[in-house]
Amino acid sequence: GENVEQHPSTLSVQEGDSAVIKCTYSDSASNYFPWYKQELGKGSQLIIDIRSNVGEKKDQRIAVTLNKTAKHFSLHITETQPEDSAVYFCAALASGGYNKLIFGAGTRLAVHP
Amino acid sequence: DGGITQSPKYLFRKEGQNVTLSCEQNLNHDAMYWYRQDPGQGLRLIYYSQIVNDFQKGDIAEGYSVSREKKESFPLTVTSAQKNPTAFYLCASSTTATSGIQYFGPGTRLLVL
Repeated sequence: GENVEQHPSTLSVQEGDSAVIKCTYSDSASNYFPWYKQELGKGSQLIIDIRSNVGEKKDQRIAVTLNKTAKHFSLHITETQPEDSAVYFCAALASGGYNKLIFGAGTRLAVHP
Repeated sequence: DGGITQSPKYLFRKEGQNVTLSCEQNLNHDAMYWYRQDPGQGLRLIYYSQIVNDFQKGDIAEGYSVSREKKESFPLTVTSAQKNPTAFYLCASSTTATSGIQYFGPGTRLLVL
């Protein structure tokens, strides 16, 4: 069945460094890939997304890249700040029918001052 | 302010008891979803509703029930048949059932006494 693998499960960086989280998906027909940020005790907030007709999208310090051939996409956070500390989830929209998102297992990012 | 609200924030369930989690949205979205999140795992879809008076089972529907009598509301009942209900439950909505962007509520943490 459809599957999304996410790595690493935990990531620790110093403030100001970059952080990269990678995801691989199995459904070659997937065409939409969102990233969500979940802070402690809060729901998941959409932070950036990308569709399969582009290879890269950037929003200030956050960027997402997509390699359709290899079926993987990555989240890049530059100049990390302590408030970036959270759990990040990638997802892929399953093909065929309703709006079903397949989620990765999440990455816990810790940014140390 | 537009958004998705979930209540309560924490819920305790006794053995053999049914409990209902509330999800309300004022975004005028047609589609709503319920997910379950367990430690170290991605979000898994319990039920979804594409439109009022319609709902479909997701990947892990056993032991749960839903209703969609109003566009704004999509309550989830965790029945006594759900043997491992302890988890974080997230409600989401999207403009339509084919729109990829899902917006999440703050979640309800269910604990078993």
